Amino acid sequence: GQNIDQPTEMTATEGAIVQINCTYQTSGFNGLFWYQQHAGEAPTFLSYNVLDGLEEKGRFSSFLSRSKGYSYLLLKELQMKDSASYLCAVIRARGGATNKLIFGTGTLLAVQP
Amino acid sequence: DTAVSQTPKYLVTQMGNDKSIKCEQNLGHDTMYWYKQDSKKFLKIMFSYNNKELIINETVPNRFSPKSPDKAHLNLHINSLELGDSAVYFCASSQGTGGETQYFGPGTRLLVL
Repeated sequence: GQNIDQPTEMTATEGAIVQINCTYQTSGFNGLFWYQQHAGEAPTFLSYNVLDGLEEKGRFSSFLSRSKGYSYLLLKELQMKDSASYLCAVIRARGGATNKLIFGTGTLLAVQP
Repeated sequence: DTAVSQTPKYLVTQMGNDKSIKCEQNLGHDTMYWYKQDSKKFLKIMFSYNNKELIINETVPNRFSPKSPDKAHLNLHINSLELGDSAVYFCASSQGTGGETQYFGPGTRLLVL
């Protein structure tokens, strides 16, 4: 089976740093994605980790520890436009070459002035 | 140019009706998906097609029937709509089936009355 846990909601202040954690349990782990979803819009790709360590992309960084089943998304210099849901999603390898993307329930981040 | 497009954006209909949602991608991807996002914002895969072949079918009621006329199009037909079918349906595409980044369409908001 699979299980992905994220905090439901978080609040942070403009200009600050926030870390959104994700823990997962799944068989056939084959990578982890972070997506951003603004209200009423489609999820958009933020980052992908398959090896342990930190991937940095501008103000956003994502970390993965495969042995701990743990990832986090770090957002620096928060802006009001960063208010959105952040979805952690795990790639689970299936038979053959087909993989499946399994989403967590998402973390709703509210950035306050 | 819109990479992944869906029509219609909004769909309001009566219980028992049959409706279709269409999806098209111009990214040249081989794989397309349908996801359902419920009122709690949980995003769950329903179907996936690779080069017009069904590769993922996630225990979805058989009232839902996907069809892929070519690898750039994936449609979803729903028979005998029920109240519980009310949700946002997202189409997505990726280059392959090995866990590549998925790109989402804008979503179709279905409300069954």
